[in-house]
Amino acid sequence: NAGVTQTPKFQVLKTGQSMTLQCAQDMNHEYMSWYRQDPGMGLRLIHYSVGAGITDQGEVPNGYNVSRSTTEDFPLRLLSAAPSQTSVYFCASSLPGQTNTGELFFGEGSRLTVL
Amino acid sequence: QKEVEQDPGPLSVPEGAIVSLNCTYSNSAFQYFMWYRQYSRKGPELLMYTYSSGNKEDGRFTAQVDKSSKYISLFIRDSQPSDSATYLCAMILYGGSQGNLIFGKGTKLSVKP
Repeated sequence: NAGVTQTPKFQVLKTGQSMTLQCAQDMNHEYMSWYRQDPGMGLRLIHYSVGAGITDQGEVPNGYNVSRSTTEDFPLRLLSAAPSQTSVYFCASSLPGQTNTGELFFGEGSRLTVL
Repeated sequence: QKEVEQDPGPLSVPEGAIVSLNCTYSNSAFQYFMWYRQYSRKGPELLMYTYSSGNKEDGRFTAQVDKSSKYISLFIRDSQPSDSATYLCAMILYGGSQGNLIFGKGTKLSVKP
């Protein structure tokens, strides 16, 4: 049982480059989301999706795009990387019934450094 | 004032100690309260959740919610080195969606053998 899988685990980019962080889950979860975690800032929501074809912005969406073409996948795109986007990114998923209890299943994270 | 406040620590205790981790919050409409545990270089995992006020116990862990004081706590009895991790509180409004989950910044705990 793979759960939530994120790739790549580590990435170094130069300012201005674009890239996609991949997230896949095999639990048939409708809800998926992306967070970034920075020292002293905690987890901050970037974008989330309540189902295929539906996405919405979180607390810090600027500089990021998402799409949800399937239930399983929720990629996060950095359009033009900036040093301020250096962070650890977590993808999370949940079932609708579990959403209200806050039970999220997280991936292991993708560590991104922008030079 | 932040919606959820959590002392970042770090907190260092000897093995076997009772640990108390706390969060305060400002929005009285929060109804579900959670504690996540995050080991170094891993994603957070749900440890416990409670609805509204009261206590919930699971083995060595007890979660406590005091809505009148807007204060939640996680107690760890007989702490073990394997409990060394960052503990994040989180809360959500009743009927809220995944997008409305609010996390504290986390408290880093170290249990020394």
